[in-house]
Amino acid sequence: GAVVSQHPSRVICKSGTSVKIECRSLDFQATTMFWYRQFPKQSLMLMATSNEGSKATYEQGVEKDKFLINHASLTLSTLTVTSAHPEDSSFYICSAREVGLGAGELFFGEGSRLTVL
Amino acid sequence: GQNIDQPTEMTATEGAIVQINCTYQTSGFNGLFWYQQHAGEAPTFLSYNVLDGLEEKGRFSSFLSRSKGYSYLLLKELQMKDSASYLCAVMDSNYQLIWGAGTKLIIKP
Repeated sequence: GAVVSQHPSRVICKSGTSVKIECRSLDFQATTMFWYRQFPKQSLMLMATSNEGSKATYEQGVEKDKFLINHASLTLSTLTVTSAHPEDSSFYICSAREVGLGAGELFFGEGSRLTVL
Repeated sequence: GQNIDQPTEMTATEGAIVQINCTYQTSGFNGLFWYQQHAGEAPTFLSYNVLDGLEEKGRFSSFLSRSKGYSYLLLKELQMKDSASYLCAVMDSNYQLIWGAGTKLIIKP
């Protein structure tokens, strides 16, 4: 089946630094990618929807200037957590939808665990 | 390796009850999630189980048996809007989410 890869799987950074997380569709083209955040023992929360070649759509309460999303190609979307703080420590997961397929074809990355010290 | 198994597709009748099973083999266990995904949309959270037993939430219930590596999602009083894919996901010892392929549920009138 289709594969979505996230990198890095784990990252530890100092408070105030920026961290970039990549989401790649390895064997298909994705017009839309979704970014989620998940705190321990809580549900996956959709942060934003990333559309290739256009601006991302952010969910209510998600700061656009803090969580920068770039979907520059049909196989790559990036999430940059700017000026990270300890409260940003979380599990971030992306998912991607394949071009040309409609119902239900949404594939997920492995997730990236961010720890901000 | 790590593995999540759930049926590819199920069909049920409006107003009836359906049970979607999920079996897993993972490196450690930090909870099992069920998500609902409508066609072309992002998945939405349905339930989280970390202890054995049944969690009831309205028309939906989720059961977990850690010793058996088994969970099910029970949907009662099925409605047409319940037609969707249902994803089972397990968080392993490294807090990585291992996802099942999803069960496409078709509701017939």
